[in-house]
Amino acid sequence: NAGVTQTPKFRILKIGQSMTLQCTQDMNHNYMYWYRQDPGMGLKLIYYSVGAGITDKGEVPNGYNVSRSTTEDFPLRLELAAPSQTSVYFCASRWGRGAPEAFFGQGTRLTVV
Amino acid sequence: AQSVTQLDSHVSVSEGTPVLLRCNYSSSYSPSLFWYVQHPNKGLQLLLKYTSAATLVKGINGFEAEFKKSETSFHLTKPSAHMSDAAEYFCVVTRGGADGLTFGKGTHLIIQP
Repeated sequence: NAGVTQTPKFRILKIGQSMTLQCTQDMNHNYMYWYRQDPGMGLKLIYYSVGAGITDKGEVPNGYNVSRSTTEDFPLRLELAAPSQTSVYFCASRWGRGAPEAFFGQGTRLTVV
Repeated sequence: AQSVTQLDSHVSVSEGTPVLLRCNYSSSYSPSLFWYVQHPNKGLQLLLKYTSAATLVKGINGFEAEFKKSETSFHLTKPSAHMSDAAEYFCVVTRGGADGLTFGKGTHLIIQP
């Protein structure tokens, strides 16, 4: 059972470039999340989704976009990369209301130069 | 609204001695609480969870935590530290709704030989 899979693991972007971080889960979870982790700051919620076709902003959504066309996939798009987006990004999923435990991917370390 | 405060950014203990990582939470409803562990350059792994059942919760690798509503605390303990426990630990709260988990800023646990 693969759980939550993120790709790529590492990426270096130049300022102004775009990229998509991929996230796939095989647990048939309804809820999916994108977090960013910065040193000493814990994890901050970027976007989340409660099911295919439904997404909503989290605490720090500026500079990012998401889509959820299937239950399994929840890609995160950076349109115009900025140095402030240098971070480690984690995708997570959980079954839904009443099942609060979340499962995390291994993370994507992104550097914008 | 909900929030989490991890009272120590770094904790250093000797191998074989007890571990105490402190966490206080704020929540306007009955929360679910978690401790996650993150080893260097790895994803987040669930250590244990409290979801309104027994207030003393046992997790993996000998860790346990006690939910104290009167003190709004959820401290993590282990009787005897092992070198492999060196990692970042996150206290997390959620109301179980769609909008995900709220993370503390993390406690870095150092184990001295």
